[in-house]
Amino acid sequence: QVQLVQSGSELKKPGSSVKVSCKASGYSFTTYAMNWVRQAPGQGLEWLGWIDTNTGIPTYAQGFTGRFLFSLDTSVSTAYLQISSLKAEDTAFYYCARRTPTYYFDSWGQGTLVTVSS
Amino acid sequence: QSALTQPASVSGSPGQSITISCTGTSNDVGNFDLVSWYQQHPGEAPKVIIYEGSLRPSAVSDRFSASRSGNTASLTISGLQPEDEADYYCCSYVGGTTFVVLGGGTKLTVL
Repeated sequence: QVQLVQSGSELKKPGSSVKVSCKASGYSFTTYAMNWVRQAPGQGLEWLGWIDTNTGIPTYAQGFTGRFLFSLDTSVSTAYLQISSLKAEDTAFYYCARRTPTYYFDSWGQGTLVTVSS
Repeated sequence: QSALTQPASVSGSPGQSITISCTGTSNDVGNFDLVSWYQQHPGEAPKVIIYEGSLRPSAVSDRFSASRSGNTASLTISGLQPEDEADYYCCSYVGGTTFVVLGGGTKLTVL
């Protein structure tokens, strides 16, 4: 069955960087786009953008350019989200989600909590 | 691209029906029948319950249905059950390079 398994929680200091991984299994990794969504504590979902798993080309949502970087390692069916120059307001759960050709997210990772605190 | 508009909260008693609206524009909800709905219980990842406007994954109860009229999509839950208490999010395809826009979420309370 399709599974997306994310890396564990992270506690980071302001100004540092974090890299979250999302390992896919149960399907051909390069046939579905991978998206990233975040959810601050008690808040709604925010779409960060997506990466074409065929070409490795990322697309970032407005407001998530510059400090956010999507990447892939197709040899291990894994997508990555890296956030640099972390701020307290980046504290959130970060989810990877597989997007179908008709633009819905049919499988989600379990989420990775990134806490930014001094 | 602005977020889709959902009511912050709705409530209903067991057995009743409720409807959650999701209002967008002619650039998203009104232009594409590609709205999806997600259910999120506390501490869990979201789960798709409606896709392509009105289709349900096989594992999702037929008490969940959805429709669209103009720029507004709606999710209806009939025969409310305690386990339906959760947050619900709509999402629409918008084309271009943005691709999707999410709603702000609606908290459903089953009284």
